[in-house]
Amino acid sequence: DAGVIQSPRHEVTEMGQEVTLRCKPISGHDYLFWYRQTMMRGLELLIYFNNNVPIDDSGMPEDRFSAKMPNASFSTLKIQPSEPRDSAVYFCASSPGAKAFFGQGTRLTVV
Amino acid sequence: GENVEQHPSTLSVQEGDSAVIKCTYSDSASNYFPWYKQELGKRPQLIIDIRSNVGEKKDQRIAVTLNKTAKHFSLHITETQPEDSAVYFCAASKRAGANNLFFGTGTRLTVIP
Repeated sequence: DAGVIQSPRHEVTEMGQEVTLRCKPISGHDYLFWYRQTMMRGLELLIYFNNNVPIDDSGMPEDRFSAKMPNASFSTLKIQPSEPRDSAVYFCASSPGAKAFFGQGTRLTVV
Repeated sequence: GENVEQHPSTLSVQEGDSAVIKCTYSDSASNYFPWYKQELGKRPQLIIDIRSNVGEKKDQRIAVTLNKTAKHFSLHITETQPEDSAVYFCAASKRAGANNLFFGTGTRLTVIP
């Protein structure tokens, strides 16, 4: 199993641009999580899905952030418009129940 | 919601010594407590976990203890090695329905050769 796959690994974009992060969970995992990691706030849960349905999006910082999971093997996190303070590492994780397995992350830099 | 506090934020030990990292949680309904290790520039990886029906769990040089009454749990690493140097995160969650993990703020462990 290749594990959780995220793309791109690195993204540099200009302020105001739309950014889309992608995630392919481990096959058979019912849960998918999006986390953001910064030095100031550590690991923050943004949103999670169960069986492709968003369960809790209370961690999404603003309306500029949106996430979708159109099927069991794909999810996106979109930021529109992006701002410099969105710069962080974004992790996707999937879980069959309790144990969460993380992808390698996307390092986003908004200039 | 759950609040997980982790101490210390940084820890330096000599190679071969033991390291202990402590976490407290606020929600008495939390019943699953994993620990993650994150090396520089890499993803967090699960190293050990414990459920609330167990007081202690060991895996080679790593052990985790849980005190449900006091709502705290600890990670113990014995005979530390330089490759143990990383940031360690504790987390807590409730299994039934909601499966979101609440993470502590992390402990940067440095093992000095």
